[in-house]
Amino acid sequence: DAGVTQSPTHLIKTRGQQVTLRCSPKSGHDTVSWYQQALGQGPQFIFQYYEEEERQRGNFPDRFSGHQFPNYSSELNVNALLLGDSALYLCASSRTSGGWNSDEQFFGPGTRLTVL
Amino acid sequence: EDKVVQSPLSLVVHEGDTVTLNCSYEVTNFRSLLWYKQEKKAPTFLFMLTSSGIEKKSGRLSSILDKKELFSILNITATQTGDSAIYLCALNAGNNRKLIWGLGTSLAVNP
Repeated sequence: DAGVTQSPTHLIKTRGQQVTLRCSPKSGHDTVSWYQQALGQGPQFIFQYYEEEERQRGNFPDRFSGHQFPNYSSELNVNALLLGDSALYLCASSRTSGGWNSDEQFFGPGTRLTVL
Repeated sequence: EDKVVQSPLSLVVHEGDTVTLNCSYEVTNFRSLLWYKQEKKAPTFLFMLTSSGIEKKSGRLSSILDKKELFSILNITATQTGDSAIYLCALNAGNNRKLIWGLGTSLAVNP
């Protein structure tokens, strides 16, 4: 049973560019959450997708957008990259049942984004 | 505002020592508190706590929650170098949407 997978592993971009990160959830999971983790800090919630819709959003600008596909996989898009967007981007999957999202989230290995 | 505060931020011990990591929180609608271990990349799940006073245990790791005083501790006994990691505490504040994370405690276990 494959766990949560993310691609790419590492990515280097320059300021102003756009980037798309991808995540496939764990088998049986239907909810995907995205986090940004800067060096030395805990993960910061970006948004969560369920049933192909953004269910909740953290305190991130509109440059951060996402999408969920019918197979539950998800993409995170960041436009107009800034140096401060350099971070580890983590995807976590979980299961929503009866309208309630399970507490336990399984994380992917992350994508290390460096913006030069 | 819901928040999670972990202490200490950093800890260096020798193999065989016992460590206690703290996580205090403020929340309007508590649902659960989770502990994760993060080594190189993805955090890995350790424990989920929902009830006060009930210890969760896995090998040398154990954790307990105090919902009256609003904190949780993670204990690691007989530490090993493989325990070196960042230990993250996360709070599910009952809004069923996101986890609120602490900054983590960076633990280094020296041989």
